[in-house]
Parts: sequence; structure tokens; C-alpha cells
Amino acid sequence: EADIYQTPRYLVIGTGKKITLECSQTMGHDKMYWYQQDPGMELHLIHYSYGVNSTEKGDLSSESTVSRIRTEHFPLTLESARPSHTSQYLCASSDQNRGSFFGQGTRLTVV
Amino acid sequence: AQSVTQLDSQVPVFEEAPVELRCNYSSSVSVYLFWYVQYPNQGLQLLLKYLSGSTLVKGINGFEAEFNKSQTSFHLRKPSVHISDTAEYFCAVSEVDSSYKLIFGSGTRLLVRP
Repeated sequence: EADIYQTPRYLVIGTGKKITLECSQTMGHDKMYWYQQDPGMELHLIHYSYGVNSTEKGDLSSESTVSRIRTEHFPLTLESARPSHTSQYLCASSDQNRGSFFGQGTRLTVV
Repeated sequence: AQSVTQLDSQVPVFEEAPVELRCNYSSSVSVYLFWYVQYPNQGLQLLLKYLSGSTLVKGINGFEAEFNKSQTSFHLRKPSVHISDTAEYFCAVSEVDSSYKLIFGSGTRLLVRP
């Protein structure tokens, strides 16, 4: 089993609030990713990191930001949440030989 | 750029019947190929992957897939499905580089009926 954790699992928050979605992995992987998944849809990469102090934007434009200060931690922040940010956010880390491992996701609802 | 096509949005099948979920990809470079399963309100679990070597890949839960380079396909098969296999299945590719960034298909919902 992969050891990658996301908190919270579910979050309902009002428009304009600042939120941080947490993601941690205990596998020592250098590469980490954030994917966004709308209901019934495919996943799209919004951020990735090759290691500490490395962050890049993914294929899908997102108003969120990320940081990578420690290898095991890759939080995602929305400065001012809007209803259009309502989605599921999945964090992953990868091992070169075994592929990517995913957390259980955070389902965000902005009201 | 790569793209992944899963033509079947939903595949209904009876329990103990065989199933094939289709995946085709497009890429101008070599790719790694993956199948993931997602149960309701859960993250994704890796079923199997093709990195190199034998084109027939065996994964968890009795699933297997065959990489066909000429047809750019990576279809997922299981000879006998169970009710518990009901889930969403995603095919994904990544470039053969060090990034392991995944491009996903739109998913196929496997619905196993008793």
C-alpha cells in the first residue's frame, strides 16, 4: 500500500475564503503532483514538483498555488475560493519503477 | 503532445463474464502506459503498467493488458469479473522521460451485474 495522505477528505467553504489542501507522503519520492478531477471526468494535471524548491504548472490552468519546502509535503493553496473551484483534488507521488501513487483525494465544495 | 481515448464511457457486464476495456493513445514519442481503478469517493489505485519488455502485462485483481504498438492500444481484460470490480477505470500515458506526468483518458465505468 502507498503511504500518501490528503487532508481534509471533504471541505465545504464559503466564497472568498483562503484554503490549503494538505498532501504528505512517507515514501521519500522526489516527484509529486496535483490533479484536478471534476465529477465523472478525467484527471488533469495542475501542478507538479521534481523536488524541494521545485514547482511547475501543469497542463490545466489553475488559480491555485503550491509549495515544496520539504520532500514529504506538497500543499496546495487557494487564496480566494470561488464556486468554480468546486472539484476533487488528487495528490500523487511517483517512483521511477513503480509509477504514481495517489492519495484518497479532497472533495472541495465552494458555496 | 499525448492524448488518450477511452471510447466506452460505460461497460455493463454480468458477473463471471469476461470483459475488455479499450484504450487507444496518440503520441509522437515513446510512452509508458498505465491502468488505474477508482472506487467511489476514493483515490486512484494502480492496476498495472507497461514500461518496457513483454507486451502482455499482468496486474492486480486478475487484470491484464496488452500493449500493441502498431495499433497504439493498451486494452484491459479480465476473464471473469466480480461484483466488486464495479468501478471507474482510467487509462493513462506518460512520456518516456523523468517526469512521470500522466495524461488520462476520460474513464470507463465498469458495471458488473449479478
